[in-house]
Amino acid sequence: AQKITQTQPGMFVQEKEAVTLDCTYDTSDQSYGLFWYKQPSSGEMIFLIYQGSYDEQNATEGRYSLNFQKARKSANLVISASQLGDSAMYFCAMREGQMLGSNFGNEKLTFGTGTRLTIIP
Amino acid sequence: EPEVTQTPSHQVTQMGQEVILRCVPISNHLYFYWYRQILGQKVEFLVSFYNNEISEKSEIFDDQFSVERPDGSNFTLKIRSTKLEDSAMYFCASSRTGGYTFGSGTRLTVV
Repeated sequence: AQKITQTQPGMFVQEKEAVTLDCTYDTSDQSYGLFWYKQPSSGEMIFLIYQGSYDEQNATEGRYSLNFQKARKSANLVISASQLGDSAMYFCAMREGQMLGSNFGNEKLTFGTGTRLTIIP
Repeated sequence: EPEVTQTPSHQVTQMGQEVILRCVPISNHLYFYWYRQILGQKVEFLVSFYNNEISEKSEIFDDQFSVERPDGSNFTLKIRSTKLEDSAMYFCASSRTGGYTFGSGTRLTVV
């Protein structure tokens, strides 16, 4: 089974509208973290937002918010008031619980297949 | 803001040649990673490195790959005998307490 599922390969959204990018995850760990990254056409990976599994509040960073529904295992990214510069590939990723015998912070990220977002003027 | 620096940004190499991709992680970070993204596909984990040894590696990271931290600042990925299917974007990342910073990537093209 896929650990991270992004079901929207591509989305087109009118400028200034809000957009929701879907992400569901699969883990049996109690402790995990969820990340969203933006990858513009230039190729770099830009960190957007993080949600820890024990965080009770949904994470927000400026125009980005994460709609975290733990029981449904979903972590959707919401971008408010979209801008032309938001056109990019967006990846959801998960860090699972602390590995046995490892030090905290050493866990790898598992990525979804991404959603290509295009903002239409 | 501290950055992870990767060099070169682009590299073209002939099949069978050895390549070394270089990374300078953020100075106070403790954990280092390499990821690979084949064009149009998702980002895949290759290897993690801590305390001068490999912590975890994926099935992609076979004997043709190796990593090294030759001094206090550089972190390198070596591919011994490149194949056409090694063409991809390679990302270095570093972390301290679970927040990951990625470099801008090296686009490797094997011809």
